[in-house]
Amino acid sequence: QSVLTQPPSASGTPGQRVTISCSGSRSNIGSNSVCWYQQLPGTAPKLLIFSNNQRPSGVPVRFSGSKSGTSASLAISGLRSEDEADYYCAVWDDSLSGRVFGGGTKLTVL
Amino acid sequence: EVQLVESGGGLVKPGGSLRLSCAASGITFSPYSMNWVRQAPGKGLEWVSCIGGNGRNTYYADSVRGRFTISRDNAKNSLYLEMNSLRAEDTALYYCAREGLSQEFEYWGQGTLVTVSS
Repeated sequence: QSVLTQPPSASGTPGQRVTISCSGSRSNIGSNSVCWYQQLPGTAPKLLIFSNNQRPSGVPVRFSGSKSGTSASLAISGLRSEDEADYYCAVWDDSLSGRVFGGGTKLTVL
Repeated sequence: EVQLVESGGGLVKPGGSLRLSCAASGITFSPYSMNWVRQAPGKGLEWVSCIGGNGRNTYYADSVRGRFTISRDNAKNSLYLEMNSLRAEDTALYYCAREGLSQEFEYWGQGTLVTVSS
């Protein structure tokens, strides 16, 4: 049971916009910045979003992040087949004094 | 080229010990916090441990506290994870990751596989 709750799966067709939610609490999302990671099949995770809504260089503008209260969201617009991957949110938890990951969302491009 | 290369994984019996290493090259190592993150087969990511840039501050997940010890050698650009009293549930691919300025996991290695089985 993860401290952060993500839907186990999401799907969309090419060109669509998809959002993935991440629900937490005051001690984690409510107090700290959220990151998002993309894990393509058989590869190491890759940083997608940091500080709630910042994109590292090289990450397409199609990927965006937001945070409100104790929840965060990752939006992917103009969905492409190569976006098919697992997506994880992560944040520091003040109560646990440690980092926590969401359970992950498997995105399928139909 | 940025590289984080983990090593030291393998097959170990329950109750046994293992020491993982992570060698960094192509990136600045010492001022930044380093982490271990693991992924059990077919499962999600689980944060394991973190160590500050000077090695003084360490943090652990409840699932490994008291059994695992994180350390670093800045002179060798290397990160370590000493794992004792290993359990079947510690079986996973172990990644090292370097934090960035905003505590994001900016760089990741490819992982080393630890299998705990009799």
